[in-house]
Amino acid sequence: EAGVAQSPRYKIIEKRQSVAFWCNPISGHATLYWYQQILGQGPKLLIQFQNNGVVDDSQLPKDRFSAERLKGVDSTLKIQPAKLEDSAVYLCASSARNGNTEAFFGQGTRLTVV
Amino acid sequence: DQQVKQNSPSLSVQEGRISILNCDYTNSMFDYFLWYKKYPAEGPTFLISISSIKDKNEDGRFTVFLNKSAKHLSLHIVPSQPGDSAVYFCAAWGNTGKLIFGQGTTLQVKP
Repeated sequence: EAGVAQSPRYKIIEKRQSVAFWCNPISGHATLYWYQQILGQGPKLLIQFQNNGVVDDSQLPKDRFSAERLKGVDSTLKIQPAKLEDSAVYLCASSARNGNTEAFFGQGTRLTVV
Repeated sequence: DQQVKQNSPSLSVQEGRISILNCDYTNSMFDYFLWYKKYPAEGPTFLISISSIKDKNEDGRFTVFLNKSAKHLSLHIVPSQPGDSAVYFCAAWGNTGKLIFGQGTTLQVKP
């Protein structure tokens, strides 16, 4: 079974530029998550999808971050414009259902904003 | 508002000994808990989970204990191996359907 795929693995951009990350979840997984992990902290949920609908985006900075999950499969997370404090690892995860189950993570995208 | 807390940033143990990683939570509505392990430059990988209807779950060298009255869970690794050196995250499913993580504990197992 293929795992969660993310790209790119690494990205360096200047502040005020835009960037996009892509995620392909495990086949058949209805729930998809984007987490932000700043060095030394635990993953923080940015947005959670159930199929192609948003379950929770309460911690997504909507003035600069956006995410979509077209057709309930792949997802993209965009930052525009980026700030220095957006430097972090962006993790995508998926699970078969929403709640009380294991979530499986991709390798993450390490973003550095300079 | 940190609902899942791992108060020890780091832990160092000798190979062959027991490693005990601790986690506290504040929300009594949490009913499913997980431990993840993370190596550098990789995503977290699922290790073991426990439902609130149980107080112990064991998988090989890994055992998770849940004390609901104290809102505390712990991960025991016996015997510890150098390959266990990683960051360990405790996570809990909230009643709002969100998977919430602690800050992580870095475990170093010395040969």
